[in-house]
Amino acid sequence: SQTIHQWPATLVQPVGSPLSLECTVEGTSNPNLYWYRQAAGRGLQLLFYSVGIGQISSEVPQNLSASRPQDRQFILSSKKLLLSDSGFYLCAWSLNRGRNTEAFFGQGTRLTVV
Amino acid sequence: DQQVKQNSPSLSVQEGRISILNCDYTNSMFDYFLWYKKYPAEGPTFLISISSIKDKNEDGRFTVFLNKSAKHLSLHIVPSQPGDSAVYFCAASGWAGGTSYGKLTFGQGTILTVHP
Repeated sequence: SQTIHQWPATLVQPVGSPLSLECTVEGTSNPNLYWYRQAAGRGLQLLFYSVGIGQISSEVPQNLSASRPQDRQFILSSKKLLLSDSGFYLCAWSLNRGRNTEAFFGQGTRLTVV
Repeated sequence: DQQVKQNSPSLSVQEGRISILNCDYTNSMFDYFLWYKKYPAEGPTFLISISSIKDKNEDGRFTVFLNKSAKHLSLHIVPSQPGDSAVYFCAASGWAGGTSYGKLTFGQGTILTVHP
């Protein structure tokens, strides 16, 4: 069966510090990968998605970037964190079959920028 | 522009009764709809989905209804149980430029509380 791992679970970082969140998927090949963010009291907003190694699409302009160095690894990064980057970050995967596909989520990372 | 809206921030229901969670969408390109359940500090868990070619999909206690003309979907939970207490998100995806890539647009969520 497929599993998704995301770490760390919680993170407190000072403004201006770098960020690296990692996500890995097991039990499937060539998945679509996604980074979502849930701000306080809001729904989930898609930040990045990837349909293959090195292929990253950004949904919203922001202070963050994403990379996919391996088929089942997805990394969310920032060179300098802002207070507004605080939130609950979720990695997800789906089958790469084009349409009508569910996304399956990791446990999330609670990021607090102080 | 909120393309998927859940207008009820919260819902309180007695155990054993029906819970009805509602969701509206504006983008006519959406053709696949999903419901997720989320506990605090955890990732959302997929519950049930429906394709636009159907108007109803049932899975145990959970039934999703889709009214395409009204651009409205709802999730019915019967009977409701205290363990159902969580935040429920509806989500939608659609064909865009050759592939949907599984990208989901989420509503804001509805907090369901089921009282014993």
